[in-house]
Amino acid sequence: EAGVAQSPRYKIIEKRQSVAFWCNPISGHATLYWYQQILGQGPKLLIQFQNNGVVDDSQLPKDRFSAERLKGVDSTLKIQPAKLEDSAVYLCASSSGLAGLSGTQYFGPGTRLLVL
Amino acid sequence: AQKVTQAQTEISVVEKEDVTLDCVYETRDTTYYLFWYKQPPSGELVFLIRRNSFDEQNEISGRYSWNFQKSTSSFNFTITASQVVDSAVYFCALRGGATNKLIFGTGTLLAVQP
Repeated sequence: EAGVAQSPRYKIIEKRQSVAFWCNPISGHATLYWYQQILGQGPKLLIQFQNNGVVDDSQLPKDRFSAERLKGVDSTLKIQPAKLEDSAVYLCASSSGLAGLSGTQYFGPGTRLLVL
Repeated sequence: AQKVTQAQTEISVVEKEDVTLDCVYETRDTTYYLFWYKQPPSGELVFLIRRNSFDEQNEISGRYSWNFQKSTSSFNFTITASQVVDSAVYFCALRGGATNKLIFGTGTLLAVQP
């Protein structure tokens, strides 16, 4: 079974530019998550989708970050405009079934973003 | 508030040594799940184990074992006879009913020297 796919793996941009990340979850997984992992810290949830609806985006900086999952499968996360503090690894994860407590999240390889 | 504490920032051992990674959690929920993930240098978080709050049985999987103790709010992870391939950052995580979010600790960097 294929895992969670993400692209690109690395991205370097200058501040105030825009950037987009793509995620393809494990086939059949209804729930999709985007996390931000700053160096030396654990991942922090940005947004959670159930199919194509948003379940939780309380920690998403909505003035510059946006995410969508239009057809309930792939998802994109966009940052516009980027700030220096956005330098981090952006991880996508998916889990099967409903967004319940017991669902194990499986993670992709992440996208390493460096904002100069 | 929910919180996960991994007090050990870095641990260095020599191959074949046993090593225990500590995890202490805080939650007011009666139903919750605890997880351990491994993050090798490649960056991908690899799922290792999930335990629910009603199952305090210890678990062993090959060289890995987990000790869950609700009385001390701990979920410790032991690697027996460590190998160089075990070198990675290990994260403990908690998911409780109040927020339904997966809360991660800050991770423990394990370096296994040959």
